[in-house]
Amino acid sequence: AQTVTQSQPEMSVQEAETVTLSCTYDTSESDYYLFWYKQPPSRQMILVIRQEAYKQQNATENRFSVNFQKAAKSFSLKISDSQLGDAAMYFCAYRSAVFGDKIIFGKGTRLHILP
Amino acid sequence: EAQVTQNPRYLITVTGKKLTVTCSQNMNHEYMSWYRQDPGLGLRQIYYSMNVEVTDKGDVPEGYKVSRKEKRNFPLILESPSPNQTSLYFCASRPVGQPNTEAFFGQGTRLTVV
Repeated sequence: AQTVTQSQPEMSVQEAETVTLSCTYDTSESDYYLFWYKQPPSRQMILVIRQEAYKQQNATENRFSVNFQKAAKSFSLKISDSQLGDAAMYFCAYRSAVFGDKIIFGKGTRLHILP
Repeated sequence: EAQVTQNPRYLITVTGKKLTVTCSQNMNHEYMSWYRQDPGLGLRQIYYSMNVEVTDKGDVPEGYKVSRKEKRNFPLILESPSPNQTSLYFCASRPVGQPNTEAFFGQGTRLTVV
């Protein structure tokens, strides 16, 4: 069975600085998707960034980028120029590209932005 | 506007009183799922449906029922709620055959069972 592990329950970063959230996963599949979701106080689940496992190039969305290391099964999220609006719970997640529709989530990392 | 709508958004109920949380999507998606979110545990799948009249258990199905009589609706039923079902619930939908399309999530339903 696939698992997703986020080892940092909470993190803090100074506004305008850069922070990296860690995520590791375990799977025997070769084709899958990895995601980072943001959950602000409104509770809405917002997709931040997505990585296809077959792509070697790391995904980037504006200030958000990932470091995808397939062999190491590592998928970290880097937030550059942190803003107060980035404060939220962040979930790393996995979805098989072949079997079913289930998204497997990590336990989350709460990110605090210090003004 | 494409969306997944859950109702109610907040619910406080008593142990044993049957309740239904509704989920409706307007995107003609085949896949629909229910997740529960608990502190320190992330989100876990309760049930999912791959199309009308096709449902299956997720990781934590005990105490829940679902039905999929229409493509757009996927209600979550708690026939005898217990305090350990106090949680934040999310419904999600996604189209089949489009692996590059990600799930749409509803706004969440905060359920408290006393």
